[in-house]
Amino acid sequence: QSVLTQPPSASGTPGQRVTVSCSGSSSNIGSNYVYWYQQLPGTAPKLLIYKNNQRPSGVPDRFSGSKSGTSASLAISGLRSEDEADYYCAGWDDSLSGVVFGGGTKLTVL
Amino acid sequence: QVQLVQSGAEVKKPGASVKVSCKASGYTFTSYHMHWVRQAPGQGPEWMGFINPSGGSTTYAKKFQGRVTMTRDTSTSTVYMELSSLRSEDTGVYYCARGYDTGGHFDYWGQGTLVTVSS
Repeated sequence: QSVLTQPPSASGTPGQRVTVSCSGSSSNIGSNYVYWYQQLPGTAPKLLIYKNNQRPSGVPDRFSGSKSGTSASLAISGLRSEDEADYYCAGWDDSLSGVVFGGGTKLTVL
Repeated sequence: QVQLVQSGAEVKKPGASVKVSCKASGYTFTSYHMHWVRQAPGQGPEWMGFINPSGGSTTYAKKFQGRVTMTRDTSTSTVYMELSSLRSEDTGVYYCARGYDTGGHFDYWGQGTLVTVSS
């Protein structure tokens, strides 16, 4: 049971816009930054969004993040086949004094 | 360029210990915390803790306190993670990840080390 809650799956067709949600509490998302990671099969997670809505260099602007209260979202516009991957949200939890992750959302491009 | 290169796969029996290494290059080793994150098969990542390579201080996730030890060797820019009293539930891929400012911000990751615990 993950501290951050994500839907197990999401899907879309090429060109569509999809969103992935991440729900937490006042001790994590509500008071700290949210990070998003993309994990392709057999590889390490890759940082996609940091500090709620910032993109590292090299990450396409098709990816965007937002946060409101104790929830956060990752949006992917202009969906492409190479976006098919697992997506995880993460952040610091003040009560646990540690980093917590979501259970992950498997994105399928139909 | 920043690189984190981890040691190879391990197979251990229940009750044994495993020590995984992570060699850093391409940046000032002592300027960034190094975290360890593990991922059980089919599961999401799980944070284990981190070490400050500058002074060697450590912070461990409550779940692993008493079983995990993180150390570093500044002469070789290498960090180590040792997990003891292994059980089958410890099977998974173990990653080192460079921490950048606040908690949860991991900008570079190692390639991962598969640890299999089986009798």
